[in-house]
Amino acid sequence: EAQVTQNPRYLITVTGKKLTVTCSQNMNHEYMSWYRQDPGLGLRQIYYSMNVEVTDKGDVPEGYKVSRKEKRNFPLILESPSPNQTSLYFCASRETRRHYGYTFGSGTRLTVV
Amino acid sequence: AQKITQTQPGMFVQEKEAVTLDCTYDTSDQSYGLFWYKQPSSGEMIFLIYQGSYDEQNATEGRYSLNFQKARKSANLVISASQLGDSAMYFCAMREGDDYKLSFGAGTTVTVRA
Repeated sequence: EAQVTQNPRYLITVTGKKLTVTCSQNMNHEYMSWYRQDPGLGLRQIYYSMNVEVTDKGDVPEGYKVSRKEKRNFPLILESPSPNQTSLYFCASRETRRHYGYTFGSGTRLTVV
Repeated sequence: AQKITQTQPGMFVQEKEAVTLDCTYDTSDQSYGLFWYKQPSSGEMIFLIYQGSYDEQNATEGRYSLNFQKARKSANLVISASQLGDSAMYFCAMREGDDYKLSFGAGTTVTVRA
């Protein structure tokens, strides 16, 4: 089954403790992206990647890092999480040709206390 | 400036009735795409319908139709014959030009009453 897999689904952590949210897709998509969802703000892009070793900032990149060492994986790294990073996070991927062919992961609900 | 505006934070609809969710967009690109996603309480994002800016016909997918009014820059979602399972948050989103990024609205919560 074609899918984007995010882990974990739920995470509660403490301020300052480094964490990684993993994202993996099995569709050989070049483009991958991370979004965060906050009430009243919808989803906002954090980082994106057009291909292996090519990453760039989205609209809200502060406090986040990403890497794209393999085509299928695009982890989101929070080096020193803070409470304002409490949010619902989504990973998404898309193939180059289909303008509407976005696939979203199931989401990661992160709470930083 | 907001690229996608959804002015209805929440709506109630009676089962079996139709409901229209408003979405207006702002872009200077001639080529763009408009999306609607459904987010049930479980949290996942479910793709509903897509409209390309050059598509002459309004998009339809089962009970979902997109009322695309290009001159007014609106892309309203119409859900016909509402079901209890339609209760969810609905997001309008846009892709512009060659950009892969999706810009989302704030969302509209729909509650279907029996």
